[in-house]
Amino acid sequence: AQSVTQPDIHITVSEGASLELRCNYSYGATPYLFWYVQSPGQGLQLLLKYFSGDTLVQGIKGFEAEFKRSQSSFNLRKPSVHWSDAAEYFCAVGAKKAGTALIFGKGTTLSVSS
Amino acid sequence: EPEVTQTPSHQVTQMGQEVILRCVPISNHLYFYWYRQILGQKVEFLVSFYNNEISEKSEIFDDQFSVERPDGSNFTLKIRSTKLEDSAMYFCASSEAVAKGHEQFFGPGTRLTVL
Repeated sequence: AQSVTQPDIHITVSEGASLELRCNYSYGATPYLFWYVQSPGQGLQLLLKYFSGDTLVQGIKGFEAEFKRSQSSFNLRKPSVHWSDAAEYFCAVGAKKAGTALIFGKGTTLSVSS
Repeated sequence: EPEVTQTPSHQVTQMGQEVILRCVPISNHLYFYWYRQILGQKVEFLVSFYNNEISEKSEIFDDQFSVERPDGSNFTLKIRSTKLEDSAMYFCASSEAVAKGHEQFFGPGTRLTVL
């Protein structure tokens, strides 16, 4: 079955500390991987994506993610968290073929403490 | 920067009523999607649309749902007879052709409340 698992429901990080959000996927075809962020009452904003090539991808707002095929993982990282990063983060997987569904994880809520 | 827009931002309706949610995808995009997010749950795929046809749909997208591109800019989701469990945030998304990868751009959502 195709699925995305985000094992951490809620994470609290101190401002300025590093962050890693975990994502594991199960997908039958070559996966296209995404991280989206959702602030309260807002839509989904794409942080970064992996299609092919370099397994370490850079995104907006200083985020990066590393694709590890052997571990079926695509963890999101940021070296220094800002208070404005508090939001919900969703990992998603899809196929290369446009028009196909993105499968989302249940999300991780990030709180930032001062 | 081009963006997907959705109207209304919030819709309240009575159970059994029909609702139409509207979306304006990014102008040069060819693929259109609807997703929903029930409060506190994950985002779920409903349907994708290309060349005036449904490309893919999920189990959630039953006969109560329909999609349409009534003109060159709008993309709509109709729920014929709303149920309480249809209360959710509905997101529209659009994407370009395959060659540029499958990046879907999401709108801000319409919050549907069924009473």
